[in-house]
Amino acid sequence: GAGVSQSPSNKVTEKGKDVELRCDPISGHTALYWYRQRLGQGLEFLIYFQGNSAPDKSGLPSDRFSAERTGESVSTLTIQRTQQEDSAVYLCASSLAPARMDTEAFFGQGTRLTVV
Amino acid sequence: AQTVTQSQPEMSVQEAETVTLSCTYDTSENNYYLFWYKQPPSRQMILVIRQEAYKQQNATENRFSVNFQKAAKSFSLKISDSQLGDTAMYFCAFYWRAQKLVFGQGTRLTINP
Repeated sequence: GAGVSQSPSNKVTEKGKDVELRCDPISGHTALYWYRQRLGQGLEFLIYFQGNSAPDKSGLPSDRFSAERTGESVSTLTIQRTQQEDSAVYLCASSLAPARMDTEAFFGQGTRLTVV
Repeated sequence: AQTVTQSQPEMSVQEAETVTLSCTYDTSENNYYLFWYKQPPSRQMILVIRQEAYKQQNATENRFSVNFQKAAKSFSLKISDSQLGDTAMYFCAFYWRAQKLVFGQGTRLTINP
């Protein structure tokens, strides 16, 4: 596609339910990143994929959070047993060649998750 | 650990004025990139400008320019002739060989007519 696509745009879920957030990166982009942005805050790094493997998962806040990527394309971020503090915008970004530091990361418009 | 600090939570200027957003960072790396991203209300993050640490010349992109002071670990963004469409959150970001972007907390910039 023309850009990074995330779905759904908005998600309201009840506390304790599981949610899946989807990211479709730009075709051919090997690097994929997930960030969390709480209201009025900066972006917190969650996880980074190079192809289908995740060399850096250091930002995942707890074992309720997991992510996978298949076919060097789509990625899903799963949050189990959601809590109210998980409410945030979840942003996905992709880039062509992460080993080259001048490669621009392109962002999706994010999924706004609200846990009630 | 790499950290990025933006000390101005909010700024407001009149249209056509010049505004400077500040950013400082902390790192022991020698080779890295610095970026400014803009996030309008649509939530879409848009790259404004980038600077490689090894380049002494400050980057410019039309009305946007940076003042990169490597020794001071400072990377400020100057917006000249500000326009209403410049109203957004602005994030400073740092990228190094660990292959991830680390962001500051952001500055909310409002351009008033």
